[in-house]
Amino acid sequence: NAGVMQNPRHLVRRRGQEARLRCSPMKGHSHVYWYRQLPEEGLKFMVYLQKENIIDESGMPKERFSAEFPKEGPSILRIQQVVRGDSAAYFCASSPPPSGSYEQYFGPGTRLTVT
Amino acid sequence: GENVEQHPSTLSVQEGDSAVIKCTYSDSASNYFPWYKQELGKRPQLIIDIRSNVGEKKDQRIAVTLNKTAKHFSLHITETQPEDSAVYFCAATPSGNTPLVFGKGTRLSVIA
Repeated sequence: NAGVMQNPRHLVRRRGQEARLRCSPMKGHSHVYWYRQLPEEGLKFMVYLQKENIIDESGMPKERFSAEFPKEGPSILRIQQVVRGDSAAYFCASSPPPSGSYEQYFGPGTRLTVT
Repeated sequence: GENVEQHPSTLSVQEGDSAVIKCTYSDSASNYFPWYKQELGKRPQLIIDIRSNVGEKKDQRIAVTLNKTAKHFSLHITETQPEDSAVYFCAATPSGNTPLVFGKGTRLSVIA
C-alpha cells in the first residue's frame, strides 16, 4: 500500500512564475490537507479538501494561492506569481473517510525555492 | 481558534536517559492529540496519538499523557537512543477529518 505521494520533491521558480505542487493520497483516503512549513518552524494548515470539494481554506492566502482535488487525479496546490516569501516546504497529508480513524499521514513534501 | 504551545524548543539528553516534551492547548473542544517525529529533510511521521477519553497511552519506549482539565499533554521517551534525535511536534484538533494545529516543535538531541 503506497503512502502519500508528492511531486516534485524539489521545485525552483523565479519570482513571478507559477508553482504547481501535486499530492496523491493513500489508497482509500478521500481527504487531503495541505500544510506549509517555513525553515525552523512548525507546520501551518493551509487548506482541506475532499474530492471535488474545498472544505476549509481558512489557512490559505486569498491572493495567488488556489487548490483543487478533482474527481480523477491528484490534489494540486497552485501558487501564482511566486515571491521569495513563498519559499518553504509544502506537505500534504491524507486521512480516510470519517470512520472513527483520526490519523493524518504525510507525504514527503515539496521544497519550493523562489529565486 | 486553537492555539498549541510546546516546550522546550530544544532538549539535549544523554543516551539512556528519559526525555519529556510538553504541550498546552487552548480549545476545550479539542479531543485528538497526535505526536509527529520529523528527521532532517524528511516527512513528519506519526509516532503516537491519544484521544480525550484516555489519560495515558504507551507504545514500547514512547508514552503520551493527557490532562483535559489542565489542557496539557506530554510525550515521554524512555531509554533514549541516538536515532531518537529529531524534531518532535505535538498537535491538537477537535475531531477526525479536521485540520491539525501544531506546536512549534522540540529539537531533541540524544548524546551518545
